[in-house]
Amino acid sequence: GQQVMQIPQYQHVQEGEDFTTYCNSSTTLSNIQWYKQRPGGHPVFLIQLVKSGEVKKQKRLTFQFGEAKKNSSLHITATQTTDVGTYFCAGFLTGTASKLTFGTGTRLQVTL
Amino acid sequence: DAGVIQSPRHEVTEMGQEVTLRCKPISGHDYLFWYRQTMMRGLELLIYFNNNVPIDDSGMPEDRFSAKMPNASFSTLKIQPSEPRDSAVYFCASSSSIPHWGYTFGSGTRLTVV
Repeated sequence: GQQVMQIPQYQHVQEGEDFTTYCNSSTTLSNIQWYKQRPGGHPVFLIQLVKSGEVKKQKRLTFQFGEAKKNSSLHITATQTTDVGTYFCAGFLTGTASKLTFGTGTRLQVTL
Repeated sequence: DAGVIQSPRHEVTEMGQEVTLRCKPISGHDYLFWYRQTMMRGLELLIYFNNNVPIDDSGMPEDRFSAKMPNASFSTLKIQPSEPRDSAVYFCASSSSIPHWGYTFGSGTRLTVV
């Protein structure tokens, strides 16, 4: 079954509001990656986190890897309509060094 | 580089027919992955190759599915015979052995089996 879950499944915000998606794994992850998929498009790599407790920023996006390396979050500050899409976390489960397991995804809708 | 190239972009076929999806990975990438995406099951890994050798095909749904990678620049995913439940978007992705660069996905093939 699905080992990497994300919440919420869907979120609708008004432009300018903040947004957070949470990623939880049933097992420890050696590292975690985040991808964005625009409607009708394909997943695009955003970032990778490797260290326990690691925090990385890309402009308005803040990514965090949990201390136990079993959870992660993506926070978007002041959303814009260009942020619309589905955000996936993806992890290398311990013992599967080359095989990414994708999370269930969070679909973000932003309206004016 | 043009990125990962998949063909066709769309495929509509009748149940029972053979379907072949094609993928050209990024030059120099030594890993190639086939994923299937549906609303119900999300992104599922079907099979992946390292240096043209299949490493893990545990995600291949059944014997109707097969994948090959005859050389470093080409891979195919074949479904024979196709069934309506195979309708999905099939993505090919490639990566180098440096994981922090992430996977590069192709634009996908939207398969509809009627």
